[in-house]
Amino acid sequence: GESVGLHLPTLSVQEGDNSIINCAYSNSASDYFIWYKQESGKGPQFIIDIRSNMDKRQGQRVTVLLNKTVKHLSLQIAATQPGDSAVYFCAESLHGNNRLAFGKGNQVVVIP
Amino acid sequence: GAGVSQSPSNKVTEKGKDVELRCDPISGHTALYWYRQSLGQGLEFLIYFQGNSAPDKSGLPSDRFSAERTGGSVSTLTIQRTQQEDSAVYLCASSFPSGTETQYFGPGTRLLVL
Repeated sequence: GESVGLHLPTLSVQEGDNSIINCAYSNSASDYFIWYKQESGKGPQFIIDIRSNMDKRQGQRVTVLLNKTVKHLSLQIAATQPGDSAVYFCAESLHGNNRLAFGKGNQVVVIP
Repeated sequence: GAGVSQSPSNKVTEKGKDVELRCDPISGHTALYWYRQSLGQGLEFLIYFQGNSAPDKSGLPSDRFSAERTGGSVSTLTIQRTQQEDSAVYLCASSFPSGTETQYFGPGTRLLVL
């Protein structure tokens, strides 16, 4: 459901379950994508990135999937923990232009 | 090693006053970025510095906003004649030179204009 106040899409997930956060990006020419996690009162923290020549990349407990056909990016978090509660942002950039264009964010709430 | 640092962490000012926000990037990072984040929103690009090249100022919302980077390290973002709509979190990020776009963010400066 939607979180009133922050007006961000909210995903509530039980501790230990897997989470999937989705993002639609805007520029079909973008060739670099990145996920950030932002906890309350802190700056965004790098999670994982992927370039357009790949469709999947795995990190520790996280996987990013890229579907260029439909301009869709997703972040999967395995075995979600209370410390994963945060707002998650996707961002895109175009090679040679380092400015990142951010999505509006998704709130993840982990229920112990 | 130390991450990106920003000061002050919080700033309250009166409408019409000027403010200066400071960013100290990660040592060795030649690229530096400023973003603005309004309440509950994503990040909005403001300005980008890369080495000695002319900065990309295309994201600055008005001529009241300016930024400089001295000696290729510390950067200052200045907002003149602040307005209430300038209230936001101002975030700085740094990265290695172009080709590695992973940007590492500081904690931000929370600006409130009364």
